[in-house]
Amino acid sequence: SQKIEQNSEALNIQEGKTATLTCNYTNYSPAYLQWYRQDPGRGPVFLLLIRENEKEKRKERLKVTFDTTLKQSLFHITASQPADSATYLCALRNTGGFKTIFGAGTRLFVKA
Amino acid sequence: DAGVIQSPRHEVTEMGQEVTLRCKPISGHDYLFWYRQTMMRGLELLIYFNNNVPIDDSGMPEDRFSAKMPNASFSTLKIQPSEPRDSAVYFCASSLRSSGLLAYEQYFGPGTRLTVT
Repeated sequence: SQKIEQNSEALNIQEGKTATLTCNYTNYSPAYLQWYRQDPGRGPVFLLLIRENEKEKRKERLKVTFDTTLKQSLFHITASQPADSATYLCALRNTGGFKTIFGAGTRLFVKA
Repeated sequence: DAGVIQSPRHEVTEMGQEVTLRCKPISGHDYLFWYRQTMMRGLELLIYFNNNVPIDDSGMPEDRFSAKMPNASFSTLKIQPSEPRDSAVYFCASSLRSSGLLAYEQYFGPGTRLTVT
């Protein structure tokens, strides 16, 4: 069955460092991979999308890579800030429809 | 824009009761999604609509769950009868398919926290 794996353990880093989150998937060939941010008590918020034919995408302090051979995406936050503390969800979607599969998310804590 | 609006924000009910969750998507959006989030199973897609028509309801767990979208600005998710294992946060999201492009972003509402005792 289709499966998305994200680090279940929380990631703790110091302010100013680069946070790197991992998303691995199996039994799936997504056309699009997305990253969302979720704060406690709120719905997920879209951050970035990367297509299967793209290797890397950047937006301000965010960078996403997509390796379809390894079936893995890496999500980087450079110069991290305490305000970046949240849960980050990886999501996959095919071209045929809008059914999106979400990972369980990784909790990030940035210490001042 | 007010964003996606969901009501109620919290619902506590007894097992066996009917529960109705409501969603108002962002004006102009043509896709609407219902998700359920639990610690054990994460965020799961239950059903989604395009132009008020249900497209994929394969995620609806049982016949006890039903969803409707009578018009472009309103959708409901109903559970009848409710059971304790239905306790979760239910999110509604909407999206817009621009001409010639696929809709990428889903805009989520604040969610409804349902507790069935």
